[in-house]
Amino acid sequence: GQSLEQPSEVTAVEGAIVQINCTYQTSGFYGLSWYQQHDGGAPTFLSYNALDGLEETGRFSSFLSRSDSYGYLLLQELQMKDSASYFCARLNNAGNMLTFGGGTRLMVKP
Amino acid sequence: KAGVTQTPRYLIKTRGQQVTLSCSPISGHRSVSWYQQTPGQGLQFLFEYFSETQRNKGNFPGRFSGRQFSNSRSEMNVSTLELGDSALYLCATHEGRGRKNYGYTFGSGTRLTVV
Repeated sequence: GQSLEQPSEVTAVEGAIVQINCTYQTSGFYGLSWYQQHDGGAPTFLSYNALDGLEETGRFSSFLSRSDSYGYLLLQELQMKDSASYFCARLNNAGNMLTFGGGTRLMVKP
Repeated sequence: KAGVTQTPRYLIKTRGQQVTLSCSPISGHRSVSWYQQTPGQGLQFLFEYFSETQRNKGNFPGRFSGRQFSNSRSEMNVSTLELGDSALYLCATHEGRGRKNYGYTFGSGTRLTVV
């Protein structure tokens, strides 16, 4: 299969840490990306993993394990503005196509 | 630098008509991709262009086509519009070389409504 699975919704409180998981079913791909999309807005690139391990970018970190067919996005010190949809996306080996997961809607509560 | 510019932002068309959407990439970005976003199907890849050549195409009918010009600007066309073509059409651009940081920059999209 070609699909990427994500939880549809996650709720967390301001200041907390949340992890959004992404599982996939194919082994042949170049890397895994994460995008944020606010309602009515464009997807915005957050992070990319070409290799297994953790990539850290400020409050956001992303992890990839190819052997487990699994990745996650970790958001720390949650802020209200982090309320948005988050998508994992697999980049094909040719590097010219993203296949997106269904997205996870994150709600941050005060 | 300027971001990815998509025009028009909103469009209402009637079934059976055709539509052309435009995307101007960030200066220096030679790869231009198009995606369709709907509540039911999510984000789906339409096609990708690099140096005026279509390098990849998604699983959409032939009514969906595109092209890229020598200045990297791209257009997509949908002919014989159907109600199901109502969607947000997003353009995403990338430098197209190197693989260290594969972050695409998306435009704000064109919201197409077919009535």
